[in-house]
Order: sequence, then structure tokens, then C-alpha cells
Amino acid sequence: DAGVTQSPTHLIKTRGQQVTLRCSPKSGHDTVSWYQQALGQGPQFIFQYYEEEERQRGNFPDRFSGHQFPNYSSELNVNALLLGDSALYLCASSFSTGARTEAFFGQGTRLTVV
Amino acid sequence: DQQVKQNSPSLSVQEGRISILNCDYTNSMFDYFLWYKKYPAEGPTFLISISSIKDKNEDGRFTVFLNKSAKHLSLHIVPSQPGDSAVYFCAASAYPNTGNQFYFGTGTSLTVIP
Repeated sequence: DAGVTQSPTHLIKTRGQQVTLRCSPKSGHDTVSWYQQALGQGPQFIFQYYEEEERQRGNFPDRFSGHQFPNYSSELNVNALLLGDSALYLCASSFSTGARTEAFFGQGTRLTVV
Repeated sequence: DQQVKQNSPSLSVQEGRISILNCDYTNSMFDYFLWYKKYPAEGPTFLISISSIKDKNEDGRFTVFLNKSAKHLSLHIVPSQPGDSAVYFCAASAYPNTGNQFYFGTGTSLTVIP
């Protein structure tokens, strides 16, 4: 059973460019959340997708957008990249039961903006 | 606004002894708490969770204690093993008040010395 997979694992982009990160959730999971982890910090919630819609959003600008596909996989898009967007981007999947449940994380995509 | 705080950036423990990792939170609406372990170049791995209706949850060598009045939780690892060396994050949520997002602390790096 494959867990959460993210691609690519590493990425270097130039300031002002756009980037797309991809995530495939754990088998059986229908909910995908994205987190940004800056160096020395804990993961910060960006947004969550369920039934192909953004269900909740954290305190991130509109430059951060996402999408969820019918197969539950998801993309995170960041436009007009800033140096401060350099971070580890984590995708987490879970099953939306309405009850408390843990999220399973992928290995992350390390984005470096130069 | 850091709603979940881990005030000890690092902790060193001898193999076989107890490791105690601490976490404080400020939002009294949090009712579900989790601990994640993270190795370098990997995503966070779920370790153990606790609901606010309990004050203790145990899973093998790992026990989480919750003190709601003090807004404090701790993770005990007994006995500690070298393979436990990793960064530990505590996380909290308050569905539906804060939606489906987890709030993470900044992590504690545990080193278990053989």
C-alpha cells in the first residue's frame, strides 16, 4: 500500500517564476492538506481540499492556489515566487469521516527560490 | 501567533532512560492532540494521539499525557532507543472550530545517546 507520494523531491526556481507541486494521497484517503515548513519551524497549514474544492485555507496569500482531481490527487501552485517561499512543502492525506483522525504526510518537496 | 509551543529545541537522553518531550498550547478550544516524529529527508510520521476527553494514552513505549487545566501535554518514551533520535512535533486541532487544520509546534530534536 503506497503512502503519500509527492513530486518532485527537490526544485530550484528563480524569483518571480511559478511552480507546481504534486501529491498523491494514501490509498483510500479523500482529503488532501498542504503545509509549508520553513527552516527551524513547524509545518504551517496552507489549505485543504475535499471533493475537489478548497474546504479551508490558512493565512497564506492568493499567490498560493491548489486543485484536487477526481482521483483525489492534488496540486499546489505558487505564483510570483519570493525568496521567502523557500521551504519544505508537505502534503498530508486523511479520510474525511467527520471524526478526529490523524493525517499521513508525504516526504515533502524542498523548494529553493533564488 | 504561535498557538502550540515547544519550548525545548533539543533534548539529549541516554539509551534506556526516559525521554520527556513537552508541549504547551494557548487555544482552549483544541480538543485533539497528536505527536509526529520526523527524520531528516522524510515527512512527519504519526506517532500517537489523544482526545481531550482523556488524560493519558499509551502505545507501547510511547505515552502521551494531557493536562487540560494547564494547557500542557507531554510525550514519554520509555525506554529510549537510538532509533528514537529525530525531531518530534506536537500538533493540535479543534474541529469544527478551527476546521480541519493542525497547528504544529516548532519541534524538539531528540538525541538518544547509545
